[in-house]
Amino acid sequence: EVQLVESGGGLVQPGESLRLSCAASGFTFSSSWMHWVRQAPGQGLVWVSHINTDGSTTNYADSVKGRFTISRDNAKNTLYLQMNSLRVGDTAVYYCATSWAVSPGGYWGQGTLVTVSS
Amino acid sequence: DIQMTQSPSSLSASVGDRVSITCRASQGISNNLAWFQQKPGTAPKSLIYAASSLQSGVPSKFSGSGSGTDFTLTISSLQPEDFATYYCQQYKSSPYTFGQGTKLEI
Repeated sequence: EVQLVESGGGLVQPGESLRLSCAASGFTFSSSWMHWVRQAPGQGLVWVSHINTDGSTTNYADSVKGRFTISRDNAKNTLYLQMNSLRVGDTAVYYCATSWAVSPGGYWGQGTLVTVSS
Repeated sequence: DIQMTQSPSSLSASVGDRVSITCRASQGISNNLAWFQQKPGTAPKSLIYAASSLQSGVPSKFSGSGSGTDFTLTISSLQPEDFATYYCQQYKSSPYTFGQGTKLEI
């Protein structure tokens, strides 16, 4: 069974940093592109970032470029999102997901809530 | 960036109905389109990729069509568990933008 378990969310002040983790199991993590997607309270889905299988290719939404860094450790089957210079507008549930451009694919974690507030 | 526009934003239907949701891209994306279902308080679920291919385990009552800029998600024989919010998303080019969502209500 595919499992993605996010952790690392919490309450931080504007300007602070946070690192999210996504522990993967039940599939060959090292063969899957991975994504982070976020959803602000009561709002729609927003794609944040993705990373290829070996970590050599990454892309970001304009709103997080230069502040967030996606990475992965294939030996630990874990995806990361380092979030620096956090803003109130970054408040959201953050989901990790496997590539949805293939099948089987498109698996999502349960999400972790990040709240940025003073 | 490629903009994705869904219509309608909300839709009322009854159990047993067949409904369609459309998604339009601001520029051609070939068939690089996915559809997702999300129920309140839960993570999204992947339904369709490559515009018309069902993800593993998704029932055939869901179908997708389209290519280029215009796409459609059709759900047949609505059941209570199908009432949710649906999102399209293009993955032709980064940033991979989502539509604003369509809330399907009873």
